[in-house]
Amino acid sequence: QKEVEQDPGPLSVPEGAIVSLNCTYSNSAFQYFMWYRQYSRKGPELLMYTYSSGNKEDGRFTAQVDKSSKYISLFIRDSQPSDSATYLCAIAQGGSEKLVFGKGTKLTVNP
Amino acid sequence: KAGVTQTPRYLIKTRGQQVTLSCSPISGHRSVSWYQQTPGQGLQFLFEYFSETQRNKGNFPGRFSGRQFSNSRSEMNVSTLELGDSALYLCASKTGGTDTQYFGPGTRLTVL
Repeated sequence: QKEVEQDPGPLSVPEGAIVSLNCTYSNSAFQYFMWYRQYSRKGPELLMYTYSSGNKEDGRFTAQVDKSSKYISLFIRDSQPSDSATYLCAIAQGGSEKLVFGKGTKLTVNP
Repeated sequence: KAGVTQTPRYLIKTRGQQVTLSCSPISGHRSVSWYQQTPGQGLQFLFEYFSETQRNKGNFPGRFSGRQFSNSRSEMNVSTLELGDSALYLCASKTGGTDTQYFGPGTRLTVL
């Protein structure tokens, strides 16, 4: 079983739609949860960083962590064409510097 | 603050050669991690250096090695290149605690 599973998509939505991106993980020792956005031919850019279960909001982005289900989500409200990118979930154990990444979901927001 | 910089941005090598990639972390960051990104395997952790010492290592063969200098700059080396080493190599830096990592733009290596 892979440590992190992420639906690769691709996902295509109209501008203004609410986007839901999800990952599941297998090891309950993971404590840190991140979402990165990666544009074509660029390095990943950190979007959200959470430690505990619950929701964290930043502008149009909301990260949700459910440790009991080992499930993390990223919601994008009022999606824009500039949100078109690959979204990667990443998790880490406490005290470990190694990030374990999902394969990424490619999102296209159509004007 | 300047971000993480990586050089070169693009590299073409042939099988059997070796290659050295360079990473300059964000000023004040002492931890540097390296990742390999391929379409098939996604982003995979190679190793992490902190204060010139390798602190973590991923599941890659010994052909992949790295080092960190006293100014926190890091290099990774791949010897005896194979076609499967073609990938985007990403460097990420952080201050050293359990905070998050910031990535550079990557070096795209093509092995012919």
